[in-house]
Amino acid sequence: QQQVKQSPQSLIVQKGGISIINCAYENTAFDYFPWYQQFPGKGPALLIAIRPDVSEKKEGRFTISFNKSAKQFSLHIMDSQPGDSATYFCAASMRGANNLFFGTGTRLTVIP
Amino acid sequence: ETGVTQSPTHLIKTRGQQVTLRCSSQSGHNTVSWYQQALGQGPQFIFQYYREEENGRGNFPPRFSGLQFPNYSSELNVNALELDDSALYLCASSPGWTGANVLTFGAGSRLTVL
Repeated sequence: QQQVKQSPQSLIVQKGGISIINCAYENTAFDYFPWYQQFPGKGPALLIAIRPDVSEKKEGRFTISFNKSAKQFSLHIMDSQPGDSATYFCAASMRGANNLFFGTGTRLTVIP
Repeated sequence: ETGVTQSPTHLIKTRGQQVTLRCSSQSGHNTVSWYQQALGQGPQFIFQYYREEENGRGNFPPRFSGLQFPNYSSELNVNALELDDSALYLCASSPGWTGANVLTFGAGSRLTVL
């Protein structure tokens, strides 16, 4: 059973556009929601993370929007650049837990 | 500051064989976690080691085992390899017992089972 559901599976965005990736979860015990970025041949790298006590977190061009009542969160990449082309994973973990539950990933391609 | 290093980067085994994958944690990190990433999927938690003891395990059979050494490096051992074990195996380290936060991943070891 997939604990975190992610969509879309792939996304193509024009340079300068906004990339939006969505995730949903059921387990209300989750209290930490990170996004990871993975380039080919590399391991995932933490991009940005949020806790459910805030509805939005912004770091540079990357923003997480969090809707606790809907149990959904999304990653917005503003002014998308070809260098942003990578696979993005949402994830979730419970307080005190030692593991992350990952989504299935979104392959983002930003075309010039 | 060195990151997480894993070896080997690629290896091919046949069904039924055994494999050992190695991981050196990032400097200052004493907790190591292992994840399996099948092609086109997100990483799945195998287990975590803290203070040389297994500290939590995901839904993987006992033929997946591990070790952590006093220098915090770690090994993942898989016995009786099956075709479905073909995947990228990721090691992640973290400072102290910070749970699942602040994970630094290595580039992984890609295992192909024929």
